[in-house]
Amino acid sequence: DAKTTQPNSMESNEEEPVHLPCNHSTISGTDYIHWYRQLPSQGPEYVIHGLTSNVNNRMASLAIAEDRKSSTLILHRATLRDAAVYYCILGKQGGSEKLVFGKGTKLTVNP
Amino acid sequence: DTGVSQDPRHKITKRGQNVTFRCDPISEHNRLYWYRQTLGQGPEFLTYFQNEAQLEKSRLLSDRFSAERPKGSFSTLEIQRTEQGDSAMYLCASSLFPRERNEQFFGPGTRLTVL
Repeated sequence: DAKTTQPNSMESNEEEPVHLPCNHSTISGTDYIHWYRQLPSQGPEYVIHGLTSNVNNRMASLAIAEDRKSSTLILHRATLRDAAVYYCILGKQGGSEKLVFGKGTKLTVNP
Repeated sequence: DTGVSQDPRHKITKRGQNVTFRCDPISEHNRLYWYRQTLGQGPEFLTYFQNEAQLEKSRLLSDRFSAERPKGSFSTLEIQRTEQGDSAMYLCASSLFPRERNEQFFGPGTRLTVL
């Protein structure tokens, strides 16, 4: 399984943008980049995914480097409800295969 | 509520006892996954089913663990002769395959404490 590297923790202030980085230097050509997050005392939830192009949805944006060896999850205006552990995961599109989680980045949002 | 449900939410047991957890996936989802999560770690894959067929089982999974999905709907995870190291959150997830978006929907988990 291709490995991802994320900072252990990050802090942000409420209503400010947050950029969560992920390195995946061994990514293969067919690997998609998925982001999940886990709120306290809950199971993980899907945030966004992409292959090469930047992606936007109602929750976040995903910026993917041109060489695909890194990506950044962007929360445009952090709220207290965004405080969670964010996981960057490589996987196959449509395969619904197992997810290989690392330790993720614990995001703290300050009021 | 049409999300993934798990029962029980909490289980305390003594070492050596057997425990069984249940997962009810989203009704139209054909894939069901089990993960285990210990404190400070991300979830770790245990096994998954497509309909009633168990397609993959983690090599880390002891033979004390067994999972079933007999009718392709709900699933059970049994742990025999529990050990203190089995204390963890057991998460179930489901998904619809194939689908363009590789999204798994997780339940709230069952927290197991082995004394």
